[in-house]
Amino acid sequence: AQKITQTQPGMFVQEKEAVTLDCTYDTSDPSYGLFWYKQPSSGEMIFLIYQGSYDQQNATEGRYSLNFQKARKSANLVISASQLGDSAMYFCAMREGLIEGTAAGNKLTFGGGTRVLVKP
Amino acid sequence: DAGVTQSPTHLIKTRGQQVTLRCSPKSGHDTVSWYQQALGQGPQFIFQYYEEEERQRGNFPDRFSGHQFPNYSSELNVNALLLGDSALYLCASSLGGRNQPQHFGDGTRLSIL
Repeated sequence: AQKITQTQPGMFVQEKEAVTLDCTYDTSDPSYGLFWYKQPSSGEMIFLIYQGSYDQQNATEGRYSLNFQKARKSANLVISASQLGDSAMYFCAMREGLIEGTAAGNKLTFGGGTRVLVKP
Repeated sequence: DAGVTQSPTHLIKTRGQQVTLRCSPKSGHDTVSWYQQALGQGPQFIFQYYEEEERQRGNFPDRFSGHQFPNYSSELNVNALLLGDSALYLCASSLGGRNQPQHFGDGTRLSIL
């Protein structure tokens, strides 16, 4: 089974509108972290937002917020007030089994990504 | 504060050759991970180095090897290159054992002819 599933290969969004990118995950580990990265055409992976499995509140970072539904194993990214510069690939990723003080559990498992195109 | 730097930016090789890619982590980071990203796909974890040792490895053959130096920089070596090795190779750094995001470099685009 896929550990990270992003079901939307591509989306159009009107400038200044909000967009939700879906991400579902699969893990039996009680300790995990969920990340969203943005990848422009230049190739660099830019960190956007993080949600820990034990966090009680949904994460927010500026125009980015994460709708974390633990029971449903979903971690959707919401981008508010879309800008032309938001056009990019967006990846959801998971880190399992992080053990504080060691490097164990540091690897990221990525989904297939969602391409977002913002229309003026 | 320098971020993660990778070299070279682009590389063209032929089948059967070997290649070495280099990565300098973000200042203060001690853990380096390497990922392979084929066109149109998400990155796949190759391996991770911490304290100059390979700590975790993904599902990649032994043709893929690496090294971490005392200054935390790292190399990825690929031997006997195949056409399927054509991809963007991303290096990411982090602080080992801390619940913080990995920071990525711009990647090395490797093309195999």
